[in-house]
Amino acid sequence: KAGVTQTPRYLIKTRGQQVTLSCSPISGHRSVSWYQQTPGQGLQFLFEYFSETQRNKGNFPGRFSGRQFSNSRSEMNVSTLELGDSALYLCASSLGTDSTGELFFGEGSRLTVL
Amino acid sequence: AQTVTQSQPEMSVQEAETVTLSCTYDTSESDYYLFWYKQPPSRQMILVIRQEAYKQQNATENRFSVNFQKAAKSFSLKISDSQLGDAAMYFCAYRPPGNQFYFGTGTSLTVIP
Repeated sequence: KAGVTQTPRYLIKTRGQQVTLSCSPISGHRSVSWYQQTPGQGLQFLFEYFSETQRNKGNFPGRFSGRQFSNSRSEMNVSTLELGDSALYLCASSLGTDSTGELFFGEGSRLTVL
Repeated sequence: AQTVTQSQPEMSVQEAETVTLSCTYDTSESDYYLFWYKQPPSRQMILVIRQEAYKQQNATENRFSVNFQKAAKSFSLKISDSQLGDAAMYFCAYRPPGNQFYFGTGTSLTVIP
């Protein structure tokens, strides 16, 4: 069974640009959530999608957005990039219907903003 | 506010010894789940152990066990017989049912041969 796949793995952007990251969940998983990981800050929750609907949202500015497609694949977009957006962006999938909600993570997309 | 605190940014342990990683959380919920996740240097995070708050018995998975103190809102991870492969970043996480996960800032564990 394939795991969670994130693309691209590494990318470099400049301030003001926008970026789109992609996440393919484990087959059968309907929930996809996104996290921003920075040193000293741990994992900050961005948002969660379940069956194409945003179910939960973290405390990030509107420049951060996401969506989920009918095949459960998800994308997140960051517009007007700032230096502080440099981070590892992790995607996690889960069944979305079980109460424990164990997350399965991808390897992440490392974004560097210059 | 629902927060998770890991007060030990870094820990080290001798191979074959035992180490305990600390985690406290803040919540007004009575029903929730607690997790420890491990992130090795290759970065893919994997689940180590899970605890349901309504269960009084501490969860155990081979060399990994937890000390869950609900009243104190404490959830520590004990790693016995530490191995070189245990070296990683460990994240404590809290999740109320149907809601988002809240992660701590992590503890970097070094295993000394």
